[in-house]
Amino acid sequence: AQKITQTQPGMFVQEKEAVTLDCTYDTSDPSYGLFWYKQPSSGEMIFLIYQGSYDQQNATEGRYSLNFQKARKSANLVISASQLGDSAMYFCAMRVTYGNNRLAFGKGNQVVVIP
Amino acid sequence: EAGVAQSPRYKIIEKRQSVAFWCNPISGHATLYWYQQILGQGPKLLIQFQNNGVVDDSQLPKDRFSAERLKGVDSTLKIQPAKLEDSAVYLCASSSRGQDYEQYFGPGTRLTVT
Repeated sequence: AQKITQTQPGMFVQEKEAVTLDCTYDTSDPSYGLFWYKQPSSGEMIFLIYQGSYDQQNATEGRYSLNFQKARKSANLVISASQLGDSAMYFCAMRVTYGNNRLAFGKGNQVVVIP
Repeated sequence: EAGVAQSPRYKIIEKRQSVAFWCNPISGHATLYWYQQILGQGPKLLIQFQNNGVVDDSQLPKDRFSAERLKGVDSTLKIQPAKLEDSAVYLCASSSRGQDYEQYFGPGTRLTVT
């Protein structure tokens, strides 16, 4: 079974600075996808970025980039130039390609951006 | 494009009562998901529909939870009878066929069982 680990305590980040959120995963399947979602206080989950296990390059989407280190089984999210609106919970998730297609989430990282 | 709609947004019930949640996915999305998110945790999948058929309900407590998706569009999730540990946010999400990696979530229903 797949497992996602997010263990960082809540983080305070200065506006305009970069922040890295750690995520490690565990799976025996060779083909899988890694996701990051943002959950603001309003409650909805917002898809940020996706990385496939066979992708050669790290995924990037605007200010979001994923530092994918396959051998270490880590998929850290980097948010550059933090904005006040980035204050939220951030969840790492994984889904194996051949299986039940279930998306498994970590417990999340709390980020607060301060001016 | 309208997003995933859910209602109600908040619900407070007493234990042993029943409750139902409603979800309307994004138009044309074949796959619909119900998640349970307990405070301080990530969402946990309860049930996944492909059109009106169940793909995965292995984590649904079937003795008290039920869900249906008639006509492959709207879906309802029911809890009967509710327990204190069912207090959580219930999230509905949908994705289009062939784009399962990008799930679009609704605002959720916050359930408090007293």
